Amino acid sequence: GESVGLHLPTLSVQEGDNSIINCAYSNSASDYFIWYKQESGKGPQFIIDIRSNMDKRQGQRVTVLLNKTVKHLSLQIAATQPGDSAVYFCAETDTDKLIFGTGTRLQVFP
Amino acid sequence: ETGVTQTPRHLVMGMTNKKSLKCEQHLGHNAMYWYKQSAKKPLELMFVYSLEERVENNSVPSRFSPECPNSSHLFLHLHTLQPEDSALYLCASSQEYRVNIQPQHFGDGTRLSIL
Repeated sequence: GESVGLHLPTLSVQEGDNSIINCAYSNSASDYFIWYKQESGKGPQFIIDIRSNMDKRQGQRVTVLLNKTVKHLSLQIAATQPGDSAVYFCAETDTDKLIFGTGTRLQVFP
Repeated sequence: ETGVTQTPRHLVMGMTNKKSLKCEQHLGHNAMYWYKQSAKKPLELMFVYSLEERVENNSVPSRFSPECPNSSHLFLHLHTLQPEDSALYLCASSQEYRVNIQPQHFGDGTRLSIL
């Protein structure tokens, strides 16, 4: 997952713009990746997943890109809306345990 | 509505109290999980149950005691907790205990505060 720091990274975007949230993972053997969204006062909500035999997967307004060469995962949100404001974090796994990142806070302003 | 319901949503307790957190999943899943979420830290896996049997215990202090009476219900019994145990406790479930083939679905958590 993302490197752990004292402060949660924050991405501020204007409503209607595209957002790109990044995640650097550590285990080259990881073969399954998940993006979660966590709104204030709620639990993590599954957004999209991708397996290591793919490099791109699209959902509704979201796209996940996987670059195994540099161990990098990104989440792209098209036409960002106020309801997209939340903490987003990635998770990786190879077999028996999900490893979560600390998250990125997405702020959407009008 | 995630299909995973946790109660209570908030809990304040003293260090000498005994309380229990409850989780119920309505998804027909066979695996259930307890996680601890502290500020600015990644989710920490505490316990895993698959078909009502505990399959993982990640060096969690004995003051936390899980119970899984059936595949739909999961409890976390708490006693003599410490202030550092204050956190958001999340329950999750998945179809099977194979974390690399399907996502886990989370409840909204119990916010626990230890006085």
